[in-house]
Amino acid sequence: DSGVTQTPKHLITATGQRVTLRCSPRSGDLSVYWYQQSLDQGLQFLIQYYNGEERAKGNILERFSAQQFPDLHSELNLSSLELGDSALYFCASSVDLAGALSTDTQYFGPGTRLTVL
Amino acid sequence: ILNVEQSPQSLHVQEGDSTNFTCSFPSSNFYALHWYRWETAKSPEALFVMTLNGDEKKKGRISATLNTKEGYSYLYIKGSQPEDSATYLCACPDSNYQLIWGAGTKLIIKP
Repeated sequence: DSGVTQTPKHLITATGQRVTLRCSPRSGDLSVYWYQQSLDQGLQFLIQYYNGEERAKGNILERFSAQQFPDLHSELNLSSLELGDSALYFCASSVDLAGALSTDTQYFGPGTRLTVL
Repeated sequence: ILNVEQSPQSLHVQEGDSTNFTCSFPSSNFYALHWYRWETAKSPEALFVMTLNGDEKKKGRISATLNTKEGYSYLYIKGSQPEDSATYLCACPDSNYQLIWGAGTKLIIKP
C-alpha cells in the first residue's frame, strides 16, 4: 500500500458526460501527478500540482482539468467524454523537496478505471 | 525532447533462469534514472533511483547498473520466479524535473 488513495476504483459513463476522479496523496507529500494509461500504451503524464499550484502540464486535453485543494487532495475533471478517453487514470504523489527533485520518488495510487460507452 | 527507450518490449523467461533488460537515455544533461515495477492489476512501485555513473543497486534478486557516459542502465533479475512477472519501467527527469517514462519491458516468467 503506497499510501495514495484514489476514488472511485471503477467508473462507467456515457459519451458526452463529465466525471471527476479524486486523489489523496501520501501524508506529507506536496506534489500530485496525474497519468493516463490507455490500452497497450505506456504511462502518459497529464499534469502535476505542487502545494495547490499547477507546476507542469503534459499531454492533457483541453477537455480535462485538474486542481489541488488546500488539504492537498486533487481532482481530475474529464468532460465531454469520448470513447477514446477510456483508460486507467493513475495519481501519484511525491515529497518534492527542493534540491532533490531529480531523485524524487513518485508513489502511485491504485488507479481509477474509466470506461466510456 | 528527452527520449527514454526500453528493450526488449517483452521477454519470456523460464522460471529459475536469470535475465536482464535495458533502458537507454541521452547521456547529456543526465540527472537521474528511476526503475519501477508494475504488476498486472496493481500500480507502479519504485525499485531504484540511480544518479552516479557506475552505480549499482540491489534489492533481493533484482539489481541495476548505470552507465551515464554511454546512456544506459541494465536491470538484472537472478533466478526468476513467477512473482517477478511484471512490466518494468524506467524514467529519467528532464530539465524541468518531469519524469519521462520508457514504454516498459513486459517480463513473463514461465513455470
